[in-house]
Amino acid sequence: AQSVAQPEDQVNVAEGNPLTVKCTYSVSGNPYLFWYVQYPNRGLQFLLKYITGDNLVKGSYGFEAEFNKSQTSFHLKKPSALVSDSALYFCAVRDRGSTLGRLYFGRGTQLTVWP
Amino acid sequence: KAGVTQTPRYLIKTRGQQVTLSCSPISGHRSVSWYQQTPGQGLQFLFEYFSETQRNKGNFPGRFSGRQFSNSRSEMNVSTLELGDSALYLCASSLGTGVINTEAFFGQGTRLTVV
Repeated sequence: AQSVAQPEDQVNVAEGNPLTVKCTYSVSGNPYLFWYVQYPNRGLQFLLKYITGDNLVKGSYGFEAEFNKSQTSFHLKKPSALVSDSALYFCAVRDRGSTLGRLYFGRGTQLTVWP
Repeated sequence: KAGVTQTPRYLIKTRGQQVTLSCSPISGHRSVSWYQQTPGQGLQFLFEYFSETQRNKGNFPGRFSGRQFSNSRSEMNVSTLELGDSALYLCASSLGTGVINTEAFFGQGTRLTVV
């Protein structure tokens, strides 16, 4: 069974400071991993993905994520947070061995960046 | 390239009524998935369609149904609405072909309120 855990419901950080949003996963095979962001009353916006290769993945708006197979983690990071980064962040996984499109999501982490 | 379009954006329905939501995927995308988002349950998978066939279904009652047309547009229907069906319904499209699938792109969602 596939599952995703985002252990923090909320992350607060001051503008200009680095931010980390945590994600761990459990899948039956090797995963494809994704991060999405959601602004109020909007759909999910794709940020970045890990498919294969370099464990450090760079995405949109200066975000990056590090895939750690031994710890089954895929934490989202940004070196310098902006107030405009405040939003709800979702980690998602899909089984590499499946042709099905279903994504398994974490419960989301609300990121608040204080000016 | 146009994104995923969901209509309508907002709906208010009365208990017992039925509702149909529409989703137009990105041109060339053949897979459409539907998700229900609520504050309590997070993002829950409803079903996935590929080339007019439902190929995966989540754990929802039979009141929830969907279909996909030959142009890949999809509709989902909820019959005999209950208060608990109030949610943001998100549609996601992807290429849906082969093992190496791409990320899913989401529409803005349809906010359904059942009163």
